[in-house]
Amino acid sequence: QKEVEQDPGPLSVPEGAIVSLNCTYSNSAFQYFMWYRQYSRKGPELLMYTYSSGNKEDGRFTAQVDKSSKYISLFIRDSQPSDSATYLCAMWAGKSTFGDGTTLTVKP
Amino acid sequence: DAGITQSPRHKVTETGTPVTLRCHQTENHRYMYWYRQDPGHGLRLIHYSYGVKDTDKGEVSDGYSVSRSKTEDFLLTLESATSSQTSVYFCAISRDRSSYEQYFGPGTRLTVT
Repeated sequence: QKEVEQDPGPLSVPEGAIVSLNCTYSNSAFQYFMWYRQYSRKGPELLMYTYSSGNKEDGRFTAQVDKSSKYISLFIRDSQPSDSATYLCAMWAGKSTFGDGTTLTVKP
Repeated sequence: DAGITQSPRHKVTETGTPVTLRCHQTENHRYMYWYRQDPGHGLRLIHYSYGVKDTDKGEVSDGYSVSRSKTEDFLLTLESATSSQTSVYFCAISRDRSSYEQYFGPGTRLTVT
């Protein structure tokens, strides 16, 4: 079983929708929880990170971590076509372990 | 892409030939990584380096070797390419061992026929 499992998608939503992207994990040693965004034929770029349980907000993006359930989420409010990309969750305990990614398409 | 370049960006090669991919950074970061990205497997670590001439294996290192003779350059060599090594290869850098934040290069798309 993989240490990090990510909802596979793909997701297709209309512009303006709220998007929820989710990952679960099994390793209690993970300390940092990251979300990377990867546009087609580009390298991943760090979008957000969190350290503790709770929510962290950055503009239209909210990262949520529930350590008791070993569950993390990324919410995108008022989604835009420019948000169309693959989103990778990643978790760090001395090294990063990545989820497989969820591809999101936001249709105008 | 945070001062990281990869070359070549695309390559088609035949089974059994050696292939070398290059990663070059201008950030002076200590750690450099090679990943491969495949559908259904996400990003998997091949090798990483924590300094000049200091390298270690990742989770999928068989069939690959690396070298780092300068801080800014990290080379990945497929000693005898196989079709299972067809993939997109990403180089990444981080400031130090405790850094959870990695910066990725643009990737090299390798096809082994």
